[in-house]
Amino acid sequence: NAGVTQTPKFQVLKTGQSMTLQCAQDMNHNSMYWYRQDPGMGLRLIYYSASEGTTDKGEVPNGYNVSRLNKREFSLRLESAAPSQTSVYFCASSELGPPLHFGNGTRLTVT
Amino acid sequence: SQELEQSPQSLIVQEGKNLTINCTSSKTLYGLYWYKQKYGEGLIFLMMLQKGGEEKSHEKITAKLDEKKQQSSLHITASQPSHAGIYLCGADGDGATNKLIFGTGTLLAVQP
Repeated sequence: NAGVTQTPKFQVLKTGQSMTLQCAQDMNHNSMYWYRQDPGMGLRLIYYSASEGTTDKGEVPNGYNVSRLNKREFSLRLESAAPSQTSVYFCASSELGPPLHFGNGTRLTVT
Repeated sequence: SQELEQSPQSLIVQEGKNLTINCTSSKTLYGLYWYKQKYGEGLIFLMMLQKGGEEKSHEKITAKLDEKKQQSSLHITASQPSHAGIYLCGADGDGATNKLIFGTGTLLAVQP
């Protein structure tokens, strides 16, 4: 029973490089979320998807794009990474309502 | 915009002691959610509170929402090393459960 799986677990990028963070859930949930966690800032919502085919901006969407590929998968893309995007990224899912199941995070460093 | 303030920021207790963590909102809460995070892992959902005066318990953890729905407390009785971690509160101040606002967390260490 995997729950929410995030890949990769760690990543180092140089400024300007692009990458996609992958997230998949096996609970048939409708809602999926991307958060970033920074020291002293708590978790901040980047994007969320209430259902397959829909996405909406959260609190800090600038510099990111998302794709809800199907009901299972929700990816987060950084087109041109910046040092300010150094963070721990969490994907989460729920059937509806607030995020209930979280992945273990992707630790991203942008140099 | 709504803000959540947690106190204390960090806490060290001896095993067996009781402790309380507080979460205060700048606006009336429609729903208040408590999560626990172990180092290097994702969040684990603990409890949800929605009604003023509501209280819920799970094992040795009790969460309460005040009557005015602006403050919640998380109380741990007879703390154990397994309780160590970061506790975060989240809130949907305008009823938008898809857009929770989180507090900055309380780091709890339990000394054996």
